[in-house]
Amino acid sequence: DTAVSQTPKYLVTQMGNDKSIKCEQNLGHDTMYWYKQDSKKFLKIMFSYNNKELIINETVPNRFSPKSPDKAHLNLHINSLELGDSAVYFCASSQVGGMYYEQYFGPGTRLTVT
Amino acid sequence: QKEVEQNSGPLSVPEGAIASLNCTYSDRGSQSFFWYRQYSGKSPELIMFIYSNGDKEDGRFTAQLNKASQYVSLLIRDSQPSDSATYLCAAEDSSYKLIFGSGTRLLVRP
Repeated sequence: DTAVSQTPKYLVTQMGNDKSIKCEQNLGHDTMYWYKQDSKKFLKIMFSYNNKELIINETVPNRFSPKSPDKAHLNLHINSLELGDSAVYFCASSQVGGMYYEQYFGPGTRLTVT
Repeated sequence: QKEVEQNSGPLSVPEGAIASLNCTYSDRGSQSFFWYRQYSGKSPELIMFIYSNGDKEDGRFTAQLNKASQYVSLLIRDSQPSDSATYLCAAEDSSYKLIFGSGTRLLVRP
């Protein structure tokens, strides 16, 4: 039933490690996003894919690499984790086009780097 | 740098009162604006969107847009304790990217 799902929900890891977060949507949307929300609740877009093509690539360290195997999945791989990467990462999806579109957010992955 | 600004609050109102949340945006090219509600530890959920100047009402919620002043607001009538959350304002730019404000925390006192 879940529209946008993410795994894992919590991720605790040490500096220098590499980790991945997975996202899947069953809404049939053509566009998926990764957002980072820091401790001050500021929600900032990182990447967006439309039909498996990267369309938004914000100023994000190249340690972050998104991958979209198909339009229902968008994964985020992070190399050499740093303390500053600790945040909640949200995946979202939408159907782009027309006057209005809504982004549906996943439950979030709380990443803690120690 | 495109920005959306909100007062972080908390905005505290008594139950039954009108809560007024405000937001300004810097990109004159933005056409659509969104209000998301985020409960603590949860994901944002859309409660209102607006793209025409004026007011748009949906139940207890009214969104107001003034493009000349680059100003968006959200009114919540008959506020309930369950409305206590952080409200995120977002503006859509020409590349379908949402620029979010940092949110206003609303507390509705019983």
